[in-house]
Amino acid sequence: ELKVEQNPLFLSMQEGKNYTIYCNYSTTSDRLYWYRQDPGKSLESLFVLLSNGAVKQEGRLMASLDTKARLSTLHITAAVHDLSATYFCAVDTGNQFYFGTGTSLTVIP
Amino acid sequence: DTAVSQTPKYLVTQMGNDKSIKCEQNLGHDTMYWYKQDSKKFLKIMFSYNNKELIINETVPNRFSPKSPDKAHLNLHINSLELGDSAVYFCASSLLSGGLTNFGPGTRLTVL
Repeated sequence: ELKVEQNPLFLSMQEGKNYTIYCNYSTTSDRLYWYRQDPGKSLESLFVLLSNGAVKQEGRLMASLDTKARLSTLHITAAVHDLSATYFCAVDTGNQFYFGTGTSLTVIP
Repeated sequence: DTAVSQTPKYLVTQMGNDKSIKCEQNLGHDTMYWYKQDSKKFLKIMFSYNNKELIINETVPNRFSPKSPDKAHLNLHINSLELGDSAVYFCASSLLSGGLTNFGPGTRLTVL
């Protein structure tokens, strides 16, 4: 069974700081997704990463994929309060699709 | 205009009942999905469907069945509801299978 592990599970960071969320998975993947979920709300797609070395950026968030290491990262630059949310990665192997456990991010003013 | 809509937003029902959740997207997308998020916030894909193929997560009980009357709709039918079915169910769509997805607001199902 495909396993997708995120760390940390909880992250509290000050505004203006940088941090990285990690997503490790146990088998080869076709694509890797990142999502954001605000408390009590639906999910928002952030990125789809398709190939080794792929990097995508949107505002203060940058996602990258290393298929050889089976690792994706979501890097947060100069965090602001509005980024407080839970971030999920998900892996699609072509015949399996699994979410990570989520990282709950709180940005403190 | 809401891109992906679901009804109802809340659904409270007794064990053993049969219920449906409706989903509609007005984005012209080809692929639609159902996801389940349990009380611990764990997410699972249940189905993905386009006009050619239904892909079912093998862990989903066959009490759950998607029904697509047309490309813009993918409804979820649940038979013989159980306590463990209590969760938030999200519908979603994407232009192409495997692309960025637009999610509906979710339906919170409570089985008593």
